[in-house]
Amino acid sequence: ETGVTQTPRHLVMGMTNKKSLKCEQHLGHNAMYWYKQSAKKPLELMFVYSLEERVENNSVPSRFSPECPNSSHLFLHLHTLQPEDSALYLCASSQDLRGVDTQYFGPGTRLTVL
Amino acid sequence: RKEVEQDPGPFNVPEGATVAFNCTYSNSASQSFFWYRQDCRKEPKLLMSVYSSGNEDGRFTAQLNRASQYISLLIRDSKLSDSATYLCVVNKGGRGNAGNMLTFGGGTRLMVKP
Repeated sequence: ETGVTQTPRHLVMGMTNKKSLKCEQHLGHNAMYWYKQSAKKPLELMFVYSLEERVENNSVPSRFSPECPNSSHLFLHLHTLQPEDSALYLCASSQDLRGVDTQYFGPGTRLTVL
Repeated sequence: RKEVEQDPGPFNVPEGATVAFNCTYSNSASQSFFWYRQDCRKEPKLLMSVYSSGNEDGRFTAQLNRASQYISLLIRDSKLSDSATYLCVVNKGGRGNAGNMLTFGGGTRLMVKP
């Protein structure tokens, strides 16, 4: 196993709900990431954090709000989502932000927005 | 034009066959290159990094042609367990550069049959 855990593994929510996705890495890494994988589309980078500081926001709508309270934990807060936001949300971590630092992925949260 | 392009497949091959996947990328500033493997409903996992000199890991050989912006993966003596989606991944960040921003191709699906 990769040492990156995500909860919940599955989530169904209505468009008016507020929910949060949680990611935890046990690898001692300094960088963490959120990706979105929609059906029939490539993985898309959403957010990047390094040492709890956001370094990238890849034009993600404000209904997705990330939070990184420490280098081991990453959250994605969700509110007023749309059905097209249904996807697999993957968290990853890497030692640092160098391009050669391997990213290790968690198992993902499969989100369905009704 | 997509940043990273792959033939989606599926490639259906018998056990023991040799199969090759190709990938092209559009950003000439890309510095590091990878193949990831993703099993059905699972997270992506790093298969191997790709170097200009070519590199081999058991039955897997990866090649990079920077001039043509082309990456390849060769799998020899295919096993049933090789059935998965293979993701071509490029990164603007390199060995010394900050910026671990992965861009994924859509993946090539491989099905190895008995």
